[in-house]
Amino acid sequence: DQQVKQNSPSLSVQEGRISILNCDYTNSMFDYFLWYKKYPAEGPTFLISISSIKDKNEDGRFTVFLNKSAKHLSLHIVPSQPGDSAVYFCAASSLTGANNLFFGTGTRLTVIP
Amino acid sequence: NAGVTQTPKFRVLKTGQSMTLLCAQDMNHEYMYWYRQDPGMGLRLIHYSVGEGTTAKGEVPDGYNVSRLKKQNFLLGLESAAPSQTSVYFCASRPGLGAYEQYFGPGTRLTVT
Repeated sequence: DQQVKQNSPSLSVQEGRISILNCDYTNSMFDYFLWYKKYPAEGPTFLISISSIKDKNEDGRFTVFLNKSAKHLSLHIVPSQPGDSAVYFCAASSLTGANNLFFGTGTRLTVIP
Repeated sequence: NAGVTQTPKFRVLKTGQSMTLLCAQDMNHEYMYWYRQDPGMGLRLIHYSVGEGTTAKGEVPDGYNVSRLKKQNFLLGLESAAPSQTSVYFCASRPGLGAYEQYFGPGTRLTVT
């Protein structure tokens, strides 16, 4: 049973425009959320995170929004650049217990020059 | 500072053969993880360790064993490989309690024929 879902396998965006990647989760115990970026033949790299006590976290061109009531988070990339083309994974964790991460299936972002 | 390294990068096994994947980290992290990534499935946790000498099962532990004899190394073993274990395997580590971001290695692509 997939507890973290990314329903869009792929997304194409023009360079300079906004990219919005979405993620939904089902487990109400999750209270910490992360986004990872993955290039081909490399391991995932941490991008940005958010705790459930916040509804927004920003780092440069990347902003993550959390809507706890809807169990939904999104990653906004503004402006999108060709180097942002990668697979983006959403992950969730509970701050109690072992803090293991549960990953979504990923969204492949293509930024068109 | 190499971060997280994985050996080997590629391997082809015949059904029934055994092998060990090695993960090493030089960041003095307490926690280490083994994941597998399959198309359309995201990353799934196989086993993890919260410190030297400890191991625990993740979501998909069947057919795998692990050992953490030294803090910097986490070994993943396949005793009798099956075609269903064809996958890309990622190792990750994180500092410990209070730090939730995991740092990933570059991956091992394993094919079982």
